[in-house]
Amino acid sequence: AQSVSQHNHHVILSEAASLELGCNYSYGGTVNLFWYVQYPGQHLQLLLKYFSGDPLVKGIKGFEAEFIKSKFSFNLRKPSVQWSDTAEYFCAVRLDSSASKIIFGSGTRLSIRP
Amino acid sequence: EPEVTQTPSHQVTQMGQEVILRCVPISNHLYFYWYRQILGQKVEFLVSFYNNEISEKSEIFDDRFSVERPDGSNFTLKIRSTKLEDSAMYFCASSTLVGGGNNQPQHFGDGTRLSIL
Repeated sequence: AQSVSQHNHHVILSEAASLELGCNYSYGGTVNLFWYVQYPGQHLQLLLKYFSGDPLVKGIKGFEAEFIKSKFSFNLRKPSVQWSDTAEYFCAVRLDSSASKIIFGSGTRLSIRP
Repeated sequence: EPEVTQTPSHQVTQMGQEVILRCVPISNHLYFYWYRQILGQKVEFLVSFYNNEISEKSEIFDDRFSVERPDGSNFTLKIRSTKLEDSAMYFCASSTLVGGGNNQPQHFGDGTRLSIL
């Protein structure tokens, strides 16, 4: 079955550290890829998305992600994190252009030490 | 920026009772979705809805579940004969295009926390 894997369940970093959260999916066809963020007590917000074109996509708040098709990966990166980045991060995949649903990963909780 | 709004924020219901969760999607959106997140688990797709019909549903969406767009603005999820395992955060989402295609992603509401006692 198609799935999305986020191997890091909880990541703890100090402010100004660099961040990379892993995301892998299992599907051989065309995909749309997303990273959503959920700040404490808030709703899911779109951080960035990949539909086509340049595999390096830039999102809000200094985040970026790179789609590597050969590795079925879409890792999220930020060169220097801030305390306000403390949140849960979800990688998500839409399997093809006709699909209506999004498949989410299990999420990675990011805690930033001030 | 327009938002998806959900009410109530928290619903407590006795097991076996019926519950209706309400959502107001973004006004020009045509596709509507429900997802749920059991505490500590991943967000799971329940159902998508377009043109007054269910487009796609998951195995979670059994015959106790139903969705409706009773008027031009609301999109509801009804759960009959609720079970303890229905306790979760339920998220509504909407998009202009199917699945959020062509660079128009799904927008999510704040969620309704459903607690079944």
